[in-house]
Amino acid sequence: AQSVTQPDIHITVSEGASLELRCNYSYGATPYLFWYVQSPGQGLQLLLKYFSGDTLVQGIKGFEAEFKRSQSSFNLRKPSVHWSDAAEYFCAVGVSGGYQKVTFGTGTKLQVIP
Amino acid sequence: EPEVTQTPSHQVTQMGQEVILRCVPISNHLYFYWYRQILGQKVEFLVSFYNNEISEKSEIFDDQFSVERPDGSNFTLKIRSTKLEDSAMYFCASISGANVLTFGAGSRLTVL
Repeated sequence: AQSVTQPDIHITVSEGASLELRCNYSYGATPYLFWYVQSPGQGLQLLLKYFSGDTLVQGIKGFEAEFKRSQSSFNLRKPSVHWSDAAEYFCAVGVSGGYQKVTFGTGTKLQVIP
Repeated sequence: EPEVTQTPSHQVTQMGQEVILRCVPISNHLYFYWYRQILGQKVEFLVSFYNNEISEKSEIFDDQFSVERPDGSNFTLKIRSTKLEDSAMYFCASISGANVLTFGAGSRLTVL
Protein backbone atom coordinates (compact mmCIF):
# COMPACT_ATOMS: atom_id res chain seq x y z
CA ALA A 1 0.00 0.00 0.00
CA GLN A 2 1.14 3.51 -0.72
CA SER A 3 2.03 6.02 2.00
CA VAL A 4 3.20 9.60 2.28
CA THR A 5 5.39 11.28 4.87
CA GLN A 6 5.52 15.02 5.41
CA PRO A 7 8.20 15.43 8.07
CA ASP A 8 7.50 19.08 8.83
CA ILE A 9 4.28 19.70 10.75
CA HIS A 10 4.69 23.46 10.90
CA ILE A 11 6.95 25.85 8.96
CA THR A 12 7.31 29.60 9.39
CA VAL A 13 8.87 31.76 6.68
CA SER A 14 9.17 35.47 6.11
CA GLU A 15 7.27 37.04 3.27
CA GLY A 16 9.50 37.15 0.20
CA ALA A 17 11.65 34.26 1.36
CA SER A 18 11.90 31.00 -0.53
CA LEU A 19 9.99 27.92 0.55
CA GLU A 20 10.51 24.19 0.33
CA LEU A 21 8.03 21.71 1.77
CA ARG A 22 9.22 18.13 1.99
CA CYS A 23 7.34 15.05 0.91
CA ASN A 24 8.47 11.43 0.78
CA TYR A 25 6.35 8.65 -0.59
CA SER A 26 6.34 4.91 -0.51
CA TYR A 27 4.97 2.98 -3.45
CA GLY A 28 6.29 0.03 -5.43
CA ALA A 29 5.72 1.37 -8.91
CA THR A 30 5.63 4.78 -10.55
CA PRO A 31 3.32 6.88 -8.45
CA TYR A 32 0.92 9.65 -9.27
CA LEU A 33 1.92 12.54 -6.99
CA PHE A 34 -0.05 15.60 -5.98
CA TRP A 35 0.18 18.67 -3.84
CA TYR A 36 -3.02 20.16 -2.48
CA VAL A 37 -3.50 23.35 -0.48
CA GLN A 38 -6.17 23.97 2.12
CA SER A 39 -6.91 27.42 3.45
CA PRO A 40 -8.61 27.62 6.85
CA GLY A 41 -12.17 26.34 6.67
CA GLN A 42 -11.86 25.66 2.96
CA GLY A 43 -11.69 22.63 0.71
CA LEU A 44 -8.69 21.11 -0.99
CA GLN A 45 -7.30 22.83 -4.06
CA LEU A 46 -4.91 21.08 -6.41
CA LEU A 47 -1.62 22.95 -6.78
CA LEU A 48 0.14 20.58 -9.13
CA LYS A 49 0.53 16.95 -10.14
CA TYR A 50 3.10 14.55 -11.50
CA PHE A 51 2.18 11.55 -13.58
CA SER A 52 5.18 11.03 -15.87
CA GLY A 53 7.66 12.88 -18.06
CA ASP A 54 9.49 15.98 -16.95
CA THR A 55 10.33 15.58 -13.28
CA LEU A 56 9.97 19.30 -12.57
CA VAL A 57 6.33 20.27 -12.66
CA GLN A 58 4.85 23.72 -12.53
CA GLY A 59 1.65 24.48 -10.72
CA ILE A 60 -0.63 27.32 -9.89
CA LYS A 61 0.26 30.33 -7.72
CA GLY A 62 3.95 30.11 -8.67
CA PHE A 63 4.57 26.72 -7.05
CA GLU A 64 6.69 23.96 -8.52
CA ALA A 65 7.67 20.48 -7.40
CA GLU A 66 10.40 18.08 -8.38
CA PHE A 67 10.00 14.31 -8.52
CA LYS A 68 13.15 12.48 -7.49
CA ARG A 69 12.72 8.75 -7.87
CA SER A 70 16.06 7.93 -6.22
CA GLN A 71 14.99 9.76 -3.07
CA SER A 72 11.28 8.88 -3.26
CA SER A 73 10.60 12.56 -2.85
CA PHE A 74 8.30 15.16 -4.32
CA ASN A 75 9.20 18.43 -2.62
CA LEU A 76 7.19 21.58 -3.18
CA ARG A 77 8.99 24.88 -3.76
CA LYS A 78 8.24 28.54 -4.26
CA PRO A 79 10.94 31.14 -4.84
CA SER A 80 9.18 34.00 -3.01
CA VAL A 81 6.36 33.45 -0.55
CA HIS A 82 3.40 35.80 -0.26
CA TRP A 83 1.31 36.33 2.87
CA SER A 84 -1.64 34.75 1.05
CA ASP A 85 0.28 31.46 0.83
CA ALA A 86 -0.34 30.82 4.52
CA ALA A 87 -2.33 27.58 4.55
CA GLU A 88 -1.94 23.87 5.07
CA TYR A 89 -0.26 21.89 2.32
CA PHE A 90 -0.88 18.22 1.69
CA CYS A 91 1.21 15.88 -0.40
CA ALA A 92 -0.63 12.90 -1.79
CA VAL A 93 0.14 9.75 -3.74
CA GLY A 94 -2.14 7.83 -6.05
CA VAL A 95 -1.87 4.49 -7.73
CA SER A 96 -0.76 4.69 -11.33
CA GLY A 97 -2.97 3.13 -13.93
CA GLY A 98 -6.18 3.03 -11.98
CA TYR A 99 -8.95 5.15 -10.57
CA GLN A 100 -8.07 4.26 -7.03
CA LYS A 101 -7.86 6.14 -3.78
CA VAL A 102 -5.35 8.86 -3.15
CA THR A 103 -3.44 8.70 0.13
CA PHE A 104 -2.62 11.95 1.87
CA GLY A 105 0.24 12.95 4.10
CA THR A 106 -0.38 14.55 7.47
CA GLY A 107 0.09 18.05 6.08
CA THR A 108 2.44 20.95 6.68
CA LYS A 109 1.02 24.15 8.09
CA LEU A 110 2.73 27.20 6.61
CA GLN A 111 2.86 30.45 8.53
CA VAL A 112 4.08 33.58 6.74
CA ILE A 113 5.38 36.47 8.79
CA PRO A 114 5.70 40.00 7.45
CA GLU B 1 -14.61 25.65 -14.21
CA PRO B 2 -16.73 22.64 -13.18
CA GLU B 3 -17.11 22.14 -9.44
CA VAL B 4 -18.04 19.47 -6.96
CA THR B 5 -20.87 20.84 -4.83
CA GLN B 6 -21.54 19.71 -1.28
CA THR B 7 -24.46 20.36 1.04
CA PRO B 8 -24.87 21.23 3.82
CA SER B 9 -21.74 23.24 4.53
CA HIS B 10 -22.22 22.69 8.25
CA GLN B 11 -24.53 20.34 10.13
CA VAL B 12 -24.94 19.99 13.87
CA THR B 13 -26.62 16.85 15.12
CA GLN B 14 -27.22 14.93 18.31
CA MET B 15 -25.41 11.68 18.97
CA GLY B 16 -27.40 8.73 17.65
CA GLN B 17 -29.13 10.69 14.91
CA GLU B 18 -28.91 9.85 11.23
CA VAL B 19 -27.12 12.26 8.94
CA ILE B 20 -27.06 12.47 5.16
CA LEU B 21 -24.38 14.49 3.42
CA ARG B 22 -24.98 15.34 -0.19
CA CYS B 23 -22.67 15.85 -3.11
CA VAL B 24 -23.10 16.71 -6.76
CA PRO B 25 -19.99 15.50 -8.60
CA ILE B 26 -18.79 16.93 -11.87
CA SER B 27 -21.18 15.75 -14.52
CA ASN B 28 -18.91 13.68 -16.75
CA HIS B 29 -16.94 12.07 -13.93
CA LEU B 30 -17.43 8.38 -13.28
CA TYR B 31 -15.64 7.69 -9.98
CA PHE B 32 -16.76 9.27 -6.74
CA TYR B 33 -15.17 9.38 -3.33
CA TRP B 34 -15.74 10.41 0.26
CA TYR B 35 -12.86 11.52 2.44
CA ARG B 36 -12.88 12.63 6.08
CA GLN B 37 -10.71 15.07 7.98
CA ILE B 38 -10.98 15.16 11.74
CA LEU B 39 -9.98 18.58 13.05
CA GLY B 40 -6.22 18.99 12.98
CA GLN B 41 -5.62 15.61 11.41
CA LYS B 42 -4.92 14.33 7.95
CA VAL B 43 -7.39 13.69 5.18
CA GLU B 44 -8.47 10.04 5.27
CA PHE B 45 -10.03 7.94 2.54
CA LEU B 46 -13.46 6.52 3.35
CA VAL B 47 -14.90 5.01 0.20
CA SER B 48 -14.81 5.00 -3.59
CA PHE B 49 -17.82 4.36 -5.80
CA TYR B 50 -18.07 3.37 -9.43
CA ASN B 51 -20.83 2.01 -11.62
CA ASN B 52 -23.34 2.15 -8.77
CA GLU B 53 -21.32 0.13 -6.34
CA ILE B 54 -18.54 0.52 -3.83
CA SER B 55 -15.16 -0.21 -5.41
CA GLU B 56 -13.07 0.20 -2.28
CA LYS B 57 -13.61 1.18 1.33
CA SER B 58 -11.41 1.80 4.32
CA GLU B 59 -11.64 0.30 7.78
CA ILE B 60 -13.29 3.53 8.93
CA PHE B 61 -16.24 2.85 6.63
CA ASP B 62 -18.10 0.42 8.87
CA ASP B 63 -21.76 -0.66 8.90
CA GLN B 64 -22.83 2.74 10.17
CA PHE B 65 -21.83 4.30 6.86
CA SER B 66 -23.45 3.89 3.48
CA VAL B 67 -23.25 5.62 0.11
CA GLU B 68 -25.76 5.95 -2.63
CA ARG B 69 -26.22 7.54 -6.01
CA PRO B 70 -29.99 7.89 -5.98
CA ASP B 71 -30.22 9.66 -9.31
CA GLY B 72 -27.93 10.75 -12.12
CA SER B 73 -26.43 13.67 -10.25
CA ASN B 74 -26.38 13.22 -6.46
CA PHE B 75 -23.95 11.14 -4.43
CA THR B 76 -24.78 10.79 -0.75
CA LEU B 77 -23.03 9.64 2.40
CA LYS B 78 -25.28 8.43 5.20
CA ILE B 79 -24.24 7.90 8.77
CA ARG B 80 -26.96 5.86 10.47
CA SER B 81 -26.33 6.58 14.14
CA THR B 82 -23.76 9.30 14.65
CA LYS B 83 -21.10 9.13 17.34
CA LEU B 84 -19.05 11.93 18.83
CA GLU B 85 -16.01 10.73 16.93
CA ASP B 86 -17.83 11.20 13.62
CA SER B 87 -17.37 14.95 14.04
CA ALA B 88 -15.19 15.93 11.11
CA MET B 89 -15.08 17.66 7.75
CA TYR B 90 -16.33 15.34 5.05
CA PHE B 91 -15.09 15.89 1.53
CA CYS B 92 -16.66 14.54 -1.60
CA ALA B 93 -14.49 14.14 -4.69
CA SER B 94 -14.85 12.93 -8.22
CA ILE B 95 -12.26 11.98 -10.76
CA SER B 96 -11.81 12.54 -14.44
CA GLY B 97 -9.96 10.62 -17.08
CA ALA B 98 -6.90 12.67 -16.15
CA ASN B 99 -6.87 10.83 -12.83
CA VAL B 100 -7.03 14.04 -10.80
CA LEU B 101 -9.37 14.25 -7.85
CA THR B 102 -11.51 17.36 -7.70
CA PHE B 103 -12.76 18.04 -4.20
CA GLY B 104 -15.80 19.83 -2.97
CA ALA B 105 -15.57 22.51 -0.29
CA GLY B 106 -16.58 20.02 2.39
CA SER B 107 -19.40 19.48 4.86
CA ARG B 108 -18.54 20.07 8.49
CA LEU B 109 -20.35 17.66 10.79
CA THR B 110 -20.56 18.41 14.49
CA VAL B 111 -21.96 15.68 16.72
CA LEU B 112 -23.06 16.76 20.20
